[in-house]
Amino acid sequence: KQEVTQIPAALSVPEGENLVLNCSFTDSAIYNLQWFRQDPGKGLTSLLLIQSSQREQTSGRLNASLDKSSGRSTLYIAASQPGDSATYLCAVRTNAGGTSYGKLTFGQGTILTVHP
Amino acid sequence: NAGVMQNPRHLVRRRGQEARLRCSPMKGHSHVYWYRQLPEEGLKFMVYLQKENIIDESGMPKERFSAEFPKEGPSILRIQQVVRGDSAAYFCASSPYRTGETQYFGPGTRLLVL
Repeated sequence: KQEVTQIPAALSVPEGENLVLNCSFTDSAIYNLQWFRQDPGKGLTSLLLIQSSQREQTSGRLNASLDKSSGRSTLYIAASQPGDSATYLCAVRTNAGGTSYGKLTFGQGTILTVHP
Repeated sequence: NAGVMQNPRHLVRRRGQEARLRCSPMKGHSHVYWYRQLPEEGLKFMVYLQKENIIDESGMPKERFSAEFPKEGPSILRIQQVVRGDSAAYFCASSPYRTGETQYFGPGTRLLVL
């Protein structure tokens, strides 16, 4: 059974800092890994999707890496801003084939606060 | 292209009533997923549907919960005889016909059972 863990559970940083969020998963047979952002009381916004064959993806100030063999992914946020404050969720799609192909397994999330 | 739509956004029910949650996927998407986020917990997969078919319902509680995605109209998650423990945010996501694509999430329905 796939399990996803995110560290730290919460992070508070001053504006302008570079930061790293960590995600680990127990079953390395994944199809892809996705990072989301969730604002309070809102839905999820997809940030980056990394296929199992890829090592990293970049979008603006965000960079996500994937080391499938060790079961780890990191989300790097450069020059953080107060608007980055949100909960960041990591989710994996396990390559079990068949009917379990579609579902995502989520971590508990990292609550990020960027203060001015 | 409108995103995934869910309604209602907030739903209050008394114990024993039925709750019906609706999800309209993005245009052109034929795969729908339902997830539940209990208070202080992460999102948990419930069910995966394609048009008129349930593909994976391994995350659905065995009783009181059902889901459908008819040929026409939105996907429906139905909870019969709700209990306080059903209070949660229910999210719907959709993806295009090709599996492995990004899942796009709706804003969620917040269910409160009194």
